[in-house]
Amino acid sequence: SQKIEQNSEALNIQEGKTATLTCNYTNYSPAYLQWYRQDPGRGPVFLLLIRENEKEKRKERLKVTFDTTLKQSLFHITASQPADSATYLCAGGGGYNKLIFGAGTRLAVHP
Amino acid sequence: EAGVVQSPRYKIIEKKQPVAFWCNPISGHNTLYWYLQNLGQGPELLIRYENEEAVDDSQLPKDRFSAERLKGVDSTLKIQPAELGDSAVYLCASSLVAGRYNEQFFGPGTRLTVL
Repeated sequence: SQKIEQNSEALNIQEGKTATLTCNYTNYSPAYLQWYRQDPGRGPVFLLLIRENEKEKRKERLKVTFDTTLKQSLFHITASQPADSATYLCAGGGGYNKLIFGAGTRLAVHP
Repeated sequence: EAGVVQSPRYKIIEKKQPVAFWCNPISGHNTLYWYLQNLGQGPELLIRYENEEAVDDSQLPKDRFSAERLKGVDSTLKIQPAELGDSAVYLCASSLVAGRYNEQFFGPGTRLTVL
């Protein structure tokens, strides 16, 4: 079945460092990937979208890459801040705007 | 601009009881989604509407779950009867159209606990 896999272990980093989160997809080739942020008790919030023909996309301190050979996307937050602490969800686009979500990776940024 | 509104935010019921969740999407958004999110997991699509039409309900357990979107605006998701395994967060989302690349806007969710 189509799967989006993310590291289940929480990522702990020091403030100011770059956080790198990994998303792998199996058994299909998504036309695009979306990244969402989810805080406890709240719904996911859209951050970035990258298409299969794009290698890299940036938005402020965020950068996402899409490697169709490795079947992987990397999500980077540079100069991380404690306010960046949250769960980050990767979602693969299938046909007709259907999204398949990964389980998310929890990021904790420590002062 | 108001976001996606869901109610109630929390619901506790006993098993075999019915329950209903309500969602009002962002004004002008034609596409509405209902997702289920279990603890520690990502959202899983239950049903997607294009205006009034349910265009993808393949993941909706139709023996106990039902949904409607009358007039193509707000929507209700119902479970009857609820089972212990239905305890989860039910998320509603909307998007402008159902084309590719459109971001989805999520509501805060309804946390259901079945005792």
